[in-house]
Amino acid sequence: QITLEESGPTVVKPTETLTLTCTFSGFSLSATGVGLGWIRQPPGKAPEWLALLYWDGNKRYSPSLQRRLTITKDTSRNQVVLTMTNMDPVDTATYYCAHRFNAAQYTFDVWGQGAMVTVSS
Amino acid sequence: DIVMTQSPDSLTVSLGERTTINCKSSQNVLYNSNNKNYLAWYQQKPGQPPRLLIYWASTRESGVPDRFSGSGSGTDFTLTISGLQAEDVAVYYCQQYYSLPWTFGQGTKVEIK
Repeated sequence: QITLEESGPTVVKPTETLTLTCTFSGFSLSATGVGLGWIRQPPGKAPEWLALLYWDGNKRYSPSLQRRLTITKDTSRNQVVLTMTNMDPVDTATYYCAHRFNAAQYTFDVWGQGAMVTVSS
Repeated sequence: DIVMTQSPDSLTVSLGERTTINCKSSQNVLYNSNNKNYLAWYQQKPGQPPRLLIYWASTRESGVPDRFSGSGSGTDFTLTISGLQAEDVAVYYCQQYYSLPWTFGQGTKVEIK
């Protein structure tokens, strides 16, 4: 059974850097075809894809946010970390991590419960 | 970026009625080499993450009731709920995964009449 859990601060100040951790179980991020993505959803709005980390180490970012995002993995701890710099109130959202697998659904099939982040001074 | 546009934004349906949600992509999401449409449908209930219902435009995810079905190809897609149940009250999103950045529709809110 695949599970994912996001963790991090609930409040950050404008201009600060947000660091979120996704701790997962039930799959290996080293297995061919596996990926882990980050998606955010502002209150009352649609989800927005942010970043994707592939099993082979390749990374992809949303072009509109690429300058501010970094995704890294700690395979030994089954964790993936997303950092977003220069936070602004418009970045207030629930941040989700999600699993994907090339050979099956290809898109995000299992999501974490999400971490609500508020940007406020 | 591929823009996903859903219609309607919301609908109110009686229990047991058929419900249809439309999704249009600004570019083709059918990959000719494998004849697959890179289009998914998600259901989201309040306080919960999105739940994958349909992928490849018409393949039902494991555990999803068979009253949910997806159809369409190219740029026009439909999610159909064949007989609305109370537990189907939610917001539904389409999403393309044909090209990065993966993008979602604005959502369709389904309520009970």
